[in-house]
Amino acid sequence: GAVVSQHPSRVICKSGTSVKIECRSLDFQATTMFWYRQFPKQSLMLMATSNEGSKATYEQGVEKDKFLINHASLTLSTLTVTSAHPEDSSFYICSARVGRGQYEQYFGPGTRLTVT
Amino acid sequence: QKEVEQNSGPLSVPEGAIASLNCTYSDRGSQSFFWYRQYSGKSPELIMSIYSNGDKEDGRFTAQLNKASQYVSLLIRDSQPSDSATYLCAVRNSGNTPLVFGKGTRLSVIA
Repeated sequence: GAVVSQHPSRVICKSGTSVKIECRSLDFQATTMFWYRQFPKQSLMLMATSNEGSKATYEQGVEKDKFLINHASLTLSTLTVTSAHPEDSSFYICSARVGRGQYEQYFGPGTRLTVT
Repeated sequence: QKEVEQNSGPLSVPEGAIASLNCTYSDRGSQSFFWYRQYSGKSPELIMSIYSNGDKEDGRFTAQLNKASQYVSLLIRDSQPSDSATYLCAVRNSGNTPLVFGKGTRLSVIA
């Protein structure tokens, strides 16, 4: 399967600071990437769909000014959590679409964010 | 509201048995169906995709799709303790729409 990487894998930050998470497709070009959040023992929640060269599409209830997404190239998308608060502590996972038509979707290893 | 339903489990099976995981979906226009495995604290891993009615086999895994019944299942043969994880069913309508995930079924394979 296709390889998606994320960096960092874990980050601890103080309340009020911003954190940037990088998502890269290593062996393919990804025109579309997805950002998910998962709280402990809960299901995946789609936050936004990121398309290369255009603005991200956010799901209802997700603050676009708080969760800034930039898909600057065909292999890189970034998620910046701005002015983080403890309630933003979660497991953030990116995913990339591979192929056209009946495409498959592969996940990165995730970033565990802890806001103190 | 497009929904994907899975029994949350836990589903416990003895080592070597067949584990059967089931999923139903509400959107009759769904075209693509996926099974992901997620170990605790890790991200989901794609294990099977299926697009047409019938069975698709890959090693110990068999996915079964019945669009008329809006039902997709995953069979794991010769279950191993390492198969213990949460299995997520995901469904997509068309190529540009996001996946809709079920909440997952937790499988426990007892040695």
